[in-house]
Amino acid sequence: GQQVMQIPQYQHVQEGEDFTTYCNSSTTLSNIQWYKQRPGGHPVFLIQLVKSGEVKKQKRLTFQFGEAKKNSSLHITATQTTDVGTYFCAGSGSARQLTFGSGTQLTVLP
Amino acid sequence: EPEVTQTPSHQVTQMGQEVILRCVPISNHLYFYWYRQILGQKVEFLVSFYNNEISEKSEIFDDQFSVERPDGSNFTLKIRSTKLEDSAMYFCASSTGTGPREQYFGPGTRLTVT
Repeated sequence: GQQVMQIPQYQHVQEGEDFTTYCNSSTTLSNIQWYKQRPGGHPVFLIQLVKSGEVKKQKRLTFQFGEAKKNSSLHITATQTTDVGTYFCAGSGSARQLTFGSGTQLTVLP
Repeated sequence: EPEVTQTPSHQVTQMGQEVILRCVPISNHLYFYWYRQILGQKVEFLVSFYNNEISEKSEIFDDQFSVERPDGSNFTLKIRSTKLEDSAMYFCASSTGTGPREQYFGPGTRLTVT
């Protein structure tokens, strides 16, 4: 079945530093979504990427979808303490169901 | 802003007992989902539901699990005979549209099986 790997598992950064998490799928994806989960909270949708090579920005967050539609990345510029949480990518192939990556837990040190 | 609600927030049950987890999806959404997240692990898809029937299900969603939309607003997940390994956070989600769409997650029900 479809597998989605995500690295790193944990990332500690000083406030103001940049952060990147990478997502790789074992199969070609029709789309990829990114979610953020705060400690003790539920996943909250951030963005969806559909097109090969697509790049989308949300303020300090930049999302990319690979040319082969098998990998994606999320980059945060100048992290803030409010960025703390676990970031999950979630991909779907021919079926609608989302396969979540293992997540990257971001800690931002003030 | 509309949101997905889930009850109860925490359910403690004994092994072998039946539990029903309840969700109220966002009112104009058409697709409903259940996910589970074992503590500290990733979110795992269980089942999707559309037009009053199961659309897709994962290997986790075996005969012990069932879903139902008993009325126009509630969406339930039943676990017939709980096992220790069913202990997890269960999230309900909903979305609208016919293509891939963002999914709105509820706050979750923490199920503890003792």
